[in-house]
Amino acid sequence: DTGVSQDPRHKITKRGQNVTFRCDPISEHNRLYWYRQTLGQGPEFLTYFQNEAQLEKSRLLSDRFSAERPKGSFSTLEIQRTEQGDSAMYLCASSLVFSGNTIYFGEGSWLTVV
Amino acid sequence: DQQVKQNSPSLSVQEGRISILNCDYTNSMFDYFLWYKKYPAEGPTFLISISSIKDKNEDGRFTVFLNKSAKHLSLHIVPSQPGDSAVYFCAASASNYQLIWGAGTKLIIKP
Repeated sequence: DTGVSQDPRHKITKRGQNVTFRCDPISEHNRLYWYRQTLGQGPEFLTYFQNEAQLEKSRLLSDRFSAERPKGSFSTLEIQRTEQGDSAMYLCASSLVFSGNTIYFGEGSWLTVV
Repeated sequence: DQQVKQNSPSLSVQEGRISILNCDYTNSMFDYFLWYKKYPAEGPTFLISISSIKDKNEDGRFTVFLNKSAKHLSLHIVPSQPGDSAVYFCAASASNYQLIWGAGTKLIIKP
């Protein structure tokens, strides 16, 4: 399978704990995106990387959220001191720079904060 | 400020008939439009796209129409099949910048 891979698919955590999600993009894709999606909404942009450089962060991304893509391949999204409002599906996507902005999503990581 | 709107939260269509999903946008700088399909508990899957230099793009049962003067695009699915039941999102971007998403339309195909 050469699609975008996300891990874990589901995570239940207690409020205040830290969680980390991993994303492996399509291998030749140099752009990697993180989105968040809740029921009844379209994906909300969080941040994106071109190779290892984080080029943009949404104002939705509070200080508790951090993303890395250290070698320009896989990426991690960490949420510190989780809150119940963080419960959502976290989506990773990847693309080529010159793909007409067509991005390809992974299956998502469901986070439930209890 | 919702730049991309999908005004129908849901749509029910008989199997074998045509499904028409609509999307309106406000930003005249948008030059690339996409449709994605999403099943529950999965990430969105890319379906079809269209550049603003075209007014129609077809891929199998899926056709996207773009009316720039009306700032409107639509996705036609013919014939509709049970596996088409999903939430459909339209998205738009300007000059390869970030995608702006609609809230989605839930399509239900009735047998």
